[in-house]
Amino acid sequence: GENVEQHPSTLSVQEGDSAVIKCTYSDSASNYFPWYKQELGKRPQLIIDIRSNVGEKKDQRIAVTLNKTAKHFSLHITETQPEDSAVYFCAAPKGDNNDMRFGAGTRLTVKP
Amino acid sequence: NAGVTQTPKFQVLKTGQSMTLQCAQDMNHEYMSWYRQDPGMGLRLIHYSVGAGITDQGEVPNGYNVSRSTTEDFPLRLLSAAPSQTSVYFCASSYSRDYGELFFGEGSRLTVL
Repeated sequence: GENVEQHPSTLSVQEGDSAVIKCTYSDSASNYFPWYKQELGKRPQLIIDIRSNVGEKKDQRIAVTLNKTAKHFSLHITETQPEDSAVYFCAAPKGDNNDMRFGAGTRLTVKP
Repeated sequence: NAGVTQTPKFQVLKTGQSMTLQCAQDMNHEYMSWYRQDPGMGLRLIHYSVGAGITDQGEVPNGYNVSRSTTEDFPLRLLSAAPSQTSVYFCASSYSRDYGELFFGEGSRLTVL
């Protein structure tokens, strides 16, 4: 979506390495930032989200950081495994409702 | 719970034909939406609904109609299909109209010849 830019579009890492995906958004009023994972041929599924009252959130090997001043947020995956291979989407809301605008996606490949 | 159910999973149309993509959820979710997914463009919002009887446009609403007569169902209608509407369509729902997890259906792959 035009409100959310996501980089890189593709990312290849060796198993065990870390992966970082970054998104920037334009609406300074945005206060909720989810990340979705989509495996090949499957539906997107939420893996982690963060609200603007915190700067970082962790869930095992996954973390999201938020910089509201710079209007960007990042997904960090540590100790990557082949099953982490998928397309990852960030999103940010536009307006007051759950009108989420998605980034273009990052295809992560983890090589064994 | 079945979650979010979409039908059909695959459909081929000719230019100018009309069709309806069905979406139903059994989680009593207030919010429902339709996205289309095209290569390199992520998920783009077509229409959404914050409750029965209420619908609104998203990023790319042209050529599509929706209605929300019940909490459970949110069909997407293509009025006169065009090749540019070839895409994978996802229905999604959320517990609240406020920000929260979107639960997606399995997707419907539509090809317009």
